[in-house]
Amino acid sequence: EADIYQTPRYLVIGTGKKITLECSQTMGHDKMYWYQQDPGMELHLIHYSYGVNSTEKGDLSSESTVSRIRTEHFPLTLESARPSHTSQYLCASSGVRGNTIYFGEGSWLTVV
Amino acid sequence: GEDVEQSLFLSVREGDSSVINCTYTDSSSTYLYWYKQEPGAGLQLLTYIFSNMDMKQDQRLTVLLNKKDKHLSLRIADTQTGDSAIYFCAETISSGGYQKVTFGTGTKLQVIP
Repeated sequence: EADIYQTPRYLVIGTGKKITLECSQTMGHDKMYWYQQDPGMELHLIHYSYGVNSTEKGDLSSESTVSRIRTEHFPLTLESARPSHTSQYLCASSGVRGNTIYFGEGSWLTVV
Repeated sequence: GEDVEQSLFLSVREGDSSVINCTYTDSSSTYLYWYKQEPGAGLQLLTYIFSNMDMKQDQRLTVLLNKKDKHLSLRIADTQTGDSAIYFCAETISSGGYQKVTFGTGTKLQVIP
């Protein structure tokens, strides 16, 4: 069982609010990722990091930002949430040689 | 660029075998994966296969890789209602010491009792 955790699992917030989705892993993995997935749709990579102080944008443009100050922690922030941000956000990590990617259980965000 | 394709939907009867197919375009893939996603949950790694293998079997799961045709399949024997989920195929490509993962759109498997 992989040790990667996301909080909150479910969140409903109002338009204009700032929200941070937390992701932590205890496996010492260098690489971490954020994916966005609408219900029944494919996964899209929105951010990734290869280590501390490394962050890159993914294939899908996102208004969210990420930071990687510690190896185990990769939070995602929306400064001003909008209904179009309603989606599931999945955090993942993999090791240095890791070709296996482990996923968290996801954070379901609804913006009303 | 990389592209991974899957059919969107598959329906089978309980007890039958399910075969979920996936095609990919990048021949430099190193690993190929199958993930399972149940409703309201995250992704669960089911199995993976290294690109120099043809087949991998793990209990009810059999993965077949045809590297020439860039075709990957997942066979679930004796399919159960608990197997109903979305199944994602993914490939990884290593480049410059880093890896990139590309996912398919997912195949929704419906198991009819």
